[in-house]
Amino acid sequence: AQSVTQLGSHVSVSEGALVLLRCNYSSSVPPYLFWYVQYPNQGLQLLLKYTTGATLVKGINGFEAEFKKSETSFHLTKPSAHMSDAAEYFCAVSDPPEYGNKLVFGAGTILRVKS
Amino acid sequence: DAGVIQSPRHEVTEMGQEVTLRCKPISGHDYLFWYRQTMMRGLELLIYFNNNVPIDDSGMPEDRFSAKMPNASFSTLKIQPSEPRDSAVYFCASSTRDRGRLFTFGSGTRLTVV
Repeated sequence: AQSVTQLGSHVSVSEGALVLLRCNYSSSVPPYLFWYVQYPNQGLQLLLKYTTGATLVKGINGFEAEFKKSETSFHLTKPSAHMSDAAEYFCAVSDPPEYGNKLVFGAGTILRVKS
Repeated sequence: DAGVIQSPRHEVTEMGQEVTLRCKPISGHDYLFWYRQTMMRGLELLIYFNNNVPIDDSGMPEDRFSAKMPNASFSTLKIQPSEPRDSAVYFCASSTRDRGRLFTFGSGTRLTVV
């Protein structure tokens, strides 16, 4: 069964600083990996996803993530934090279609951006 | 496309009452998921359907919860009787099986049981 671990339930950075949100996954087959963002009292918005191919994935709002199979990681980064990035971020894993289609989420990381 | 549509957006009900949450998936998506979000347990997958058939309901908390998908464009999640601990935000999502798979979430229903 798939599982996701997000290291750090809260991360605080200064505006303009690097954002690094950590995600490690467990999957018995090559995974599909996702990052979602949730603003207060809103739904989940897809930031980026990895399915196959290039391991460095670029998403919206300047975010990117790199799939590292050897480390079973899919960390999310952004070079320069903006106040509008303050939100909760969820890493999620899914099996490829031929193995099922469940999307399993990590516990989430709340990002705080200080001015 | 209007996206995944959930109704109602907010629901307040008294303990013991029946609650029905509704979801309209994106046209052409053949998978539908129900999730529950709480502070304590995060985002939990309750049940998902493929081509209107329930595939995995292992996340459904107990017999008070039931979900149906009578056709490709509509699903319901019912709680009967409701309890205060059911208070949460319930999300519906839909997706396709293709390799560019995209799970799209609705805006959620915030349920409060008093």
